[in-house]
Amino acid sequence: AQRVTQPEKLLSVFKGAPVELKCNYSYSGSPELFWYVQYSRQRLQLLLRHISRESIKGFTADLNKGETSFHLKKPFAQEEDSAMYYCALLGGGSEKLVFGKGTKLTVNP
Amino acid sequence: EAGVTQSPTHLIKTRGQQATLRCSPISGHTSVYWYQQALGLGLQFLLWYDEGEERNRGNFPPRFSGRQFPNYSSELNVNALELEDSALYLCASSLWGSGGYEQYFGPGTRLTVT
Repeated sequence: AQRVTQPEKLLSVFKGAPVELKCNYSYSGSPELFWYVQYSRQRLQLLLRHISRESIKGFTADLNKGETSFHLKKPFAQEEDSAMYYCALLGGGSEKLVFGKGTKLTVNP
Repeated sequence: EAGVTQSPTHLIKTRGQQATLRCSPISGHTSVYWYQQALGLGLQFLLWYDEGEERNRGNFPPRFSGRQFPNYSSELNVNALELEDSALYLCASSLWGSGGYEQYFGPGTRLTVT
């Protein structure tokens, strides 16, 4: 079964501190993984996907198949990073996203 | 470019009634997905339509159904509403052949069942 686990419901850091949002997945094949973000009063939007290996808004995420993890990291958090973050998995051929329950990140001034 | 649109924004129904939610995908996108975001349960996949056909279905009872029209817009119907159907319903679209690499989400319809 496909499953995505985000162990932290809430995460609070100070501006300028490093931040790591954890994501672990369960999938027997080769998954595609994504991070989606939802800022206050805005719609859910894609932040980044592992296949492109890009850095968006200073965030990076590396797929670790051995640990089945896809943690989202940023070295210096900004107040505008405060949002709800969802890790999602796309299983091969299914065309549906399986989401974690999300982590609410608060960056304090 | 206009994004995914959904209507209505809010919908209030009583138990046992039927609800109809609508979604218009981004122009050129042929796939439409429906997700339910219930409190404490996160985002759960409901249905996937492409080219007018249901392609995949999540673990929801048959009273959740829908359709996709020739212009690729979609309706989600929920029959015999129950209190636990209260949730935010999100629609997303993507272009077939993109491998689903990005799904673009609408703002959602908030369904409240009393």
